[in-house]
Amino acid sequence: QSALTQPASVSGSPGQSITISCTGSSSDVGGFNFVSWYQQHPGTAPKAIIFEDDRRPSGISTRFSASKSGNTAYLTISGLQAEDEADYICCSYAGSRVLVFGGGTKLTVL
Amino acid sequence: EVQLVQSGAEVKKPGESLRISCRASGYDFTTHWITWVRQMPGKGLEWMGKVNPSDSYSSYSPSLQGHITISVDKSINTAYLQWSSLKVSDTAVYYCARWVRGSLFDYWGQGTQATVSS
Repeated sequence: QSALTQPASVSGSPGQSITISCTGSSSDVGGFNFVSWYQQHPGTAPKAIIFEDDRRPSGISTRFSASKSGNTAYLTISGLQAEDEADYICCSYAGSRVLVFGGGTKLTVL
Repeated sequence: EVQLVQSGAEVKKPGESLRISCRASGYDFTTHWITWVRQMPGKGLEWMGKVNPSDSYSSYSPSLQGHITISVDKSINTAYLQWSSLKVSDTAVYYCARWVRGSLFDYWGQGTQATVSS
């Protein structure tokens, strides 16, 4: 199972919006409504910010939103804040009880 | 409060065996699968496999099948990740996480650093 493809890095200024893509195939991202996004600050465990393509867990800011088109999922962060600087990693169910992560995208808040 | 507490850092030599643990508390251990995820130095996350604490059934990433074993001891609410013969490339931080459904993991352990070096 190949890792999902994400851009290595994105950046934006405070207050701006950014979008991160996550490209897979019809066997994972495009085949199920089970894409999640995780935020990971250095030296800490990942934290779920989106699940089932576009749902937010309780307590996650509405500045985080997500969508999907075909085999590509998207995470949008609006109103960028300094605390959003972190790695963002997508994950998808890939059938047969297998899951696959993306390579991760480092977000820099300028 | 749900918590997953992992065992401490390990330093091993190639060819040695290793078992790291993940102790769950704050919920009924048998209601959620436990998954293991690794993060190699400077790299992204990699799903390794998961285990059902209710019946000990496990499933693995095809790329790791045969190299690792994931197990549980539900009498002590603990999941394990083990190797019988480590490789240098097994050097990574290993996380356990509680799997909810699909690709959602809602609680994570603090991570265990495993270093394999001759």
